[in-house]
Amino acid sequence: SAVISQKPSRDICQRGTSLTIQCQVDSQVTMMFWYRQQPGQSLTLIATANQGSEATYESGFVIDKFPISRPNLTFSTLTVSNMSPEDSSIYLCSVRAPGAYEQYFGPGTRLTVT
Amino acid sequence: AQSVTQPDIHITVSEGASLELRCNYSYGATPYLFWYVQSPGQGLQLLLKYFSGDTLVQGIKGFEAEFKRSQSSFNLRKPSVHWSDAAEYFCAVTGGGNKLTFGTGTQLKVEL
Repeated sequence: SAVISQKPSRDICQRGTSLTIQCQVDSQVTMMFWYRQQPGQSLTLIATANQGSEATYESGFVIDKFPISRPNLTFSTLTVSNMSPEDSSIYLCSVRAPGAYEQYFGPGTRLTVT
Repeated sequence: AQSVTQPDIHITVSEGASLELRCNYSYGATPYLFWYVQSPGQGLQLLLKYFSGDTLVQGIKGFEAEFKRSQSSFNLRKPSVHWSDAAEYFCAVTGGGNKLTFGTGTQLKVEL
């Protein structure tokens, strides 16, 4: 399985500001994903980060709020823009190897918006 | 649409006792099923997966799960629980596409 790191591991931000979360993988992967886990909740897919093209967003998530970059096959960023307290969550990136169906997750970024 | 139900929000077992966590899925075709574990402050770790073939699958840390198509279930079991197994457990399903749909999770507490 791939080794995935995320930065920062946690942050406390003021409302109205933006935070960019980085996800780094130790091997090249085609598929990278971003999930949100709100307090006490399950995981919800935000978007699929496609290398060389625009991210594909799930219903309820928009590019203006959660812009994503995928400059190469080992790295992606998720920005949480114009934050409000409702954005307080754990944000996780995951990867799926070619030909595989399972996903492997990074350690997550715990975001608190005050 | 695919969905997962984990009926038990919290489960408490004594150390050394057996464990079964329930998972029911909804998917129109053959599902790909997974169990993940999340320890406090950690990301998700894949315990085991089912794609096809033998309906009893073995995973890491002594866990196993049984796929029962007739009951749309994929229950997770462990014969003897250790205190370090205390964590949150998530069942997930995909039809082979990108979207992994998770259940709401079961919080396991282990009494010493």
